[in-house]
Amino acid sequence: GAGVSQSPSNKVTEKGKDVELRCDPISGHTALYWYRQSLGQGLEFLIYFQGNSAPDKSGLPSDRFSAERTGGSVSTLTIQRTQQEDSAVYLCASSLLRGHEQYFGPGTRLTVT
Amino acid sequence: GDSVTQMEGPVTLSEEAFLTINCTYTATGYPSLFWYVQYPGEGLQLLLKATKADDKGSNKGFEATYRKETTSFHLEKGSVQVSDSAVYFCALSDQGGSEKLVFGKGTKLTVNP
Repeated sequence: GAGVSQSPSNKVTEKGKDVELRCDPISGHTALYWYRQSLGQGLEFLIYFQGNSAPDKSGLPSDRFSAERTGGSVSTLTIQRTQQEDSAVYLCASSLLRGHEQYFGPGTRLTVT
Repeated sequence: GDSVTQMEGPVTLSEEAFLTINCTYTATGYPSLFWYVQYPGEGLQLLLKATKADDKGSNKGFEATYRKETTSFHLEKGSVQVSDSAVYFCALSDQGGSEKLVFGKGTKLTVNP
């Protein structure tokens, strides 16, 4: 079956612009996670969704970052007023239930110029 | 908070050599432990896991044992192949509710023929 998909695969944006990153989890997976992979910080957790609610947003680095999930499926991560330090690969993962194996998407590489 | 420390890379080995990548963790409670692998140009994949003390996870010739007394989860393989060249990440699942993954910095392995 289809795995986790993310779009776009690459995004180049100018500093100060807003960007939206999309994640399509595996069908039926109730838990969804966003992570960020950068050279300096490694792999960091951003936010966790159970269904459409986000009980753990502790990894969002600033209020410029927000995310939503609709229909218990697709999730969008939005970064407002992008900064150069936002450049990273943003990874989405889903799991059938919280605590089950997380399946990762291929990531979106964001470059802020 | 919870953290994972894994040996710095890069690691370069000849084919058929023995591999050890050290991983230690700090956590409250009893987390599950994981090794993820990222092959060149591909997404993160779960390699193996262990959910409780003294469990041994194994897959594709790789093994790791959950050692509570030394808070370690070292990855080993008896005879590496060129196709094992990848970045390996040790991780634990946070027990605080979301079971988000906390990753080590990653170890890049290159296996030469």
